[in-house]
Amino acid sequence: QKEVEQDPGPLSVPEGAIVSLNCTYSNSAFQYFMWYRQYSRKGPELLMYTYSSGNKEDGRFTAQVDKSSKYISLFIRDSQPSDSATYLCAMSGNAGNMLTFGGGTRLMVKP
Amino acid sequence: NAGVTQTPKFQVLKTGQSMTLQCAQDMNHNSMYWYRQDPGMGLRLIYYSASEGTTDKGEVPNGYNVSRLNKREFSLRLESAAPSQTSVYFCASNLGLGSIGETQYFGPGTRLLVL
Repeated sequence: QKEVEQDPGPLSVPEGAIVSLNCTYSNSAFQYFMWYRQYSRKGPELLMYTYSSGNKEDGRFTAQVDKSSKYISLFIRDSQPSDSATYLCAMSGNAGNMLTFGGGTRLMVKP
Repeated sequence: NAGVTQTPKFQVLKTGQSMTLQCAQDMNHNSMYWYRQDPGMGLRLIYYSASEGTTDKGEVPNGYNVSRLNKREFSLRLESAAPSQTSVYFCASNLGLGSIGETQYFGPGTRLLVL
């Protein structure tokens, strides 16, 4: 069993929809949680970063961490075709250094 | 400010051939990383260098070697390529100081096909 599980999708939604992307994990030592966005044939880029449990909002994006359930989520409001990409969750037991990634969820937002 | 750069962008090798993937960063970062990305597997760490002069194995180091040439450059070598090494390879870097809010910055990737 992988340490971090993520539904590979693809997830197809109409423009303007609210998108929910999720990851589950098994290692209770993880404290730092990240979401990376990866466009086709590009390197991943950091989208959101949270520490421990709770919510963090940045524009249309909200990251949520529930350590008791070992479950993290990324919500995208008013989704746009430009949000079409693969979203990778990543987590670490210490700040930023050794990351464990989920397999990624491919999102397609249709105009 | 180019960030993290990788060469080549694409390479085709025959089984048994060797090659070196190059990575350089201009952000004065201490730590550098090599990952491979395969469909459905996410990014898996091959090797990393916490600081200049040090290297350590990651999750999938077999069949690879690395060299931290200086603070800017971190190369990945395949001594005898195998079809199982067909993948997209990403280099990443960060300050490596363990500060809250730190992240890894990724290069554009090298697509490698081993026949």
